[in-house]
Formats: sequence, structure tokens, C-alpha cells
Amino acid sequence: KNEVEQSPQNLTAQEGEFITINCSYSVGISALHWLQQHPGGGIVSLFMLSSGKKKHGRLIATINIQEKHSSLHITASHPRDSAVYICAVPLQGAQKLVFGQGTRLTINP
Amino acid sequence: DAGVIQSPRHEVTEMGQEVTLRCKPISGHDYLFWYRQTMMRGLELLIYFNNNVPIDDSGMPEDRFSAKMPNASFSTLKIQPSEPRDSAVYFCASSYKRGNQPQHFGDGTRLSIL
Repeated sequence: KNEVEQSPQNLTAQEGEFITINCSYSVGISALHWLQQHPGGGIVSLFMLSSGKKKHGRLIATINIQEKHSSLHITASHPRDSAVYICAVPLQGAQKLVFGQGTRLTINP
Repeated sequence: DAGVIQSPRHEVTEMGQEVTLRCKPISGHDYLFWYRQTMMRGLELLIYFNNNVPIDDSGMPEDRFSAKMPNASFSTLKIQPSEPRDSAVYFCASSYKRGNQPQHFGDGTRLSIL
């Protein structure tokens, strides 16, 4: 069993729709990372959170430590949000990140 | 802030050749990470350094792979001899140690071994 599981693996939606990507993990963690990888290949860190909720523009990340679950939401989705979204957790007490398999999001105009 | 700088961006070489990938972390960052990304396995950590010292190299696939960090502003990942199955995108990332800090990724090196 992978330590980090994401769902769905692929998601296609229409512009304007509300998007939710889920991440479940099996190890104890100090924080969870959400990353974005654009078609060009570059990887950008979106959020790092250890409790509650964080918001940046149209992106919202939530985490429930007890349930070992995090969600990434995108409001009013736009074609430029099309990317692969990756959740990652550090092995407890270490800097070493373990990655989910990624969710490929496509937003159609 | 120039970000993490990797070179080359693309490398195509023949099987058996030595390949050297280079990384310049963000100034002041004391952690440096090398990752490999393939379609089959996704992103995997190969090795990471703290203050130029290798901390965990358990992800390095085999002895053909080696990594060095001679100083705080430069690291290399070397594959010798290269094989077609080494074809992947290799990312370098760096971060601060203080608390939980995000990792900043370079643009990656797309490596193709023919």
C-alpha cells in the first residue's frame, strides 16, 4: 500500500466548476505539501499545512490530521489551472518527502 | 531571488556515456534534494543533503549513481555508465531547515539515454 494516495487520478471539468482533489496518507506527519506541475514540467509548491485550512487566491487546502486526509479545492476553475497536482508528506521527523501519484486536472473552456 | 538553477535542461546521450547533472540551490538554503520523475514511478527522492553532507541516499538506484555537494552553492548528480532505463526528468530542490519549510524546485533536466 502506498503511503500517500490521491484521488481522482484524472479529472476533467468545465471552466467555472468547483474542483476537489483528495489526498490520504498512512504515516504520522508534521505537515503536508501540495505541489503543482504544469505541462511544461516545472514544479511549484502551493501549500504546506499542518492543521486547518489555508487559502491562496482561488485555491484552498484543508487537512484533517485525525483522519489523515487533505483536500485541495479550486473555486471558479479556469483552463490555466490545468496541471498535475501532487500531494506529498515528509516521513515523520525527516525532510524526506513521499509523493502521491498525482492528479491530472484538465479544465476545458 | 534566482530560484534553483539546474543544467542542462535537456540531455540526450548514448548508453554507456557518463552523464552529469548540475544544481545551484537558492542562496541560504541548507537542504538540497535530488528527485527523479518517471511515468511509471512518479516522483522519487534519490538523495538529500543537509549543510553539504549527504543525509539519506537510500533512493539512489544503484552504484552507477553518485551525488556530491562540494559547497553550499553547487551539487552534481552523476550517472556512469548510463542506461536507457535512466531516462527520466531529474529535479533538484532546496529548502531552509527552520521548521517545516516548502521546497523550491528547479526546472528539471530531461534526460534521454539512447
